[in-house]
Amino acid sequence: KQEVTQIPAALSVPEGENLVLNCSFTDSAIYNLQWFRQDPGKGLTSLLLIQSSQREQTSGRLNASLDKSSGRSTLYIAASQPGDSATYLCAVLLSGGSYIPTFGRGTSLIVHP
Amino acid sequence: DGGITQSPKYLFRKEGQNVTLSCEQNLNHDAMYWYRQDPGQGLRLIYYSQIVNDFQKGDIAEGYSVSREKKESFPLTVTSAQKNPTAFYLCASSMGQPPSSPLHFGNGTRLTVT
Repeated sequence: KQEVTQIPAALSVPEGENLVLNCSFTDSAIYNLQWFRQDPGKGLTSLLLIQSSQREQTSGRLNASLDKSSGRSTLYIAASQPGDSATYLCAVLLSGGSYIPTFGRGTSLIVHP
Repeated sequence: DGGITQSPKYLFRKEGQNVTLSCEQNLNHDAMYWYRQDPGQGLRLIYYSQIVNDFQKGDIAEGYSVSREKKESFPLTVTSAQKNPTAFYLCASSMGQPPSSPLHFGNGTRLTVT
């Protein structure tokens, strides 16, 4: 069974720092990997989707990379802002079977002014 | 605007009562999912449906039931058999199998059972 781990569980940084969030998975036969943001009491908002054939995706200050062979993805946030404070989750879909996403527990990020 | 609507946002029930959470999408997505989120435990899959009139149990289906009579609707009933129903419930949808679109989420329903 696919297991998804996110490290660190929590992170507090000053505004302006560049930071990296990590997502690791145990089964490399993935179909795609998706990064989400969740604000307190809200649903998940999709940030980036990386297909298994891709190495990275970029959107504004966000860059997500995928290394299937090592079972890892990173989310890079450039020039962090207080508005980036949220929980970030990754979800992995395995190839074949039912294509059900497996989620990590998330990284809780606080960016302080 | 297309999206997923979950209602109500907050729900309070007495122990022993069944309660139904609504999830409606106008994205024309084939697949729909129900997740439960508890502090520190991430998202756990309750049920999913990849096509109308068909659904499958997820990892924690005991004490829950669903129906998928229409493509746009996937209601979740929390029955009195669910031992610890207080949680944040999230509904999601995606297009096609395998999914050809990102997973979309509603804003959730917070259920409190006393």
